[in-house]
Amino acid sequence: SAVISQKPSRDICQRGTSLTIQCQVDSQVTMMFWYRQQPGQSLTLIATANQGSEATYESGFVIDKFPISRPNLTFSTLTVSNMSPEDSSIYLCSAKPGIGTGELFFGEGSRLTVL
Amino acid sequence: GENVEQHPSTLSVQEGDSAVIKCTYSDSASNYFPWYKQELGKRPQLIIDIRSNVGEKKDQRIAVTLNKTAKHFSLHITETQPEDSAVYFCATNSGGYQKVTFGIGTKLQVIP
Repeated sequence: SAVISQKPSRDICQRGTSLTIQCQVDSQVTMMFWYRQQPGQSLTLIATANQGSEATYESGFVIDKFPISRPNLTFSTLTVSNMSPEDSSIYLCSAKPGIGTGELFFGEGSRLTVL
Repeated sequence: GENVEQHPSTLSVQEGDSAVIKCTYSDSASNYFPWYKQELGKRPQLIIDIRSNVGEKKDQRIAVTLNKTAKHFSLHITETQPEDSAVYFCATNSGGYQKVTFGIGTKLQVIP
């Protein structure tokens, strides 16, 4: 299993600013992902955070807007850059301990509101 | 990419009745089918999963069935209780099989 801590849990941000979300896992994990969940909606994968290399982004998400770091096997950050109200959402960090298929563990999420 | 369709989007049942949620997927190579429960304001949590070499799996009041030929799988909750009220997401692996793609979710309300 994996226990995931995210911070901040929520924030109110001004248009045009950037915010970095931190994700800490209590054990080394193979895979880490970042999802976005708009209120009442499903979970949309933003990117796979790769340890020691550039993240792999899904269609519709780009590195300039959502830079991601993963310096080691327990930590990752997601930055939401140049925010607009459309970026208001819950951002969820998730992790999968092993390789292959298996359970995803999620953080509590970071709820961002952009004014 | 993988497309996962889920229905219904909302479901209300009387306490004690059964609830069924259905999903279809597009990638015939998908081989892992988890279901997640998300209570209001909480993180999604895995409740049951099934792999492609199995047609059915049961865990107490929860069961999942898989039909690989038809590319659909279903979640069955029997003897529903108020604490089953939540949003349920089906999912499947895709794109190199490390990624997980989610359905749109089903909001289940169990009426006491």
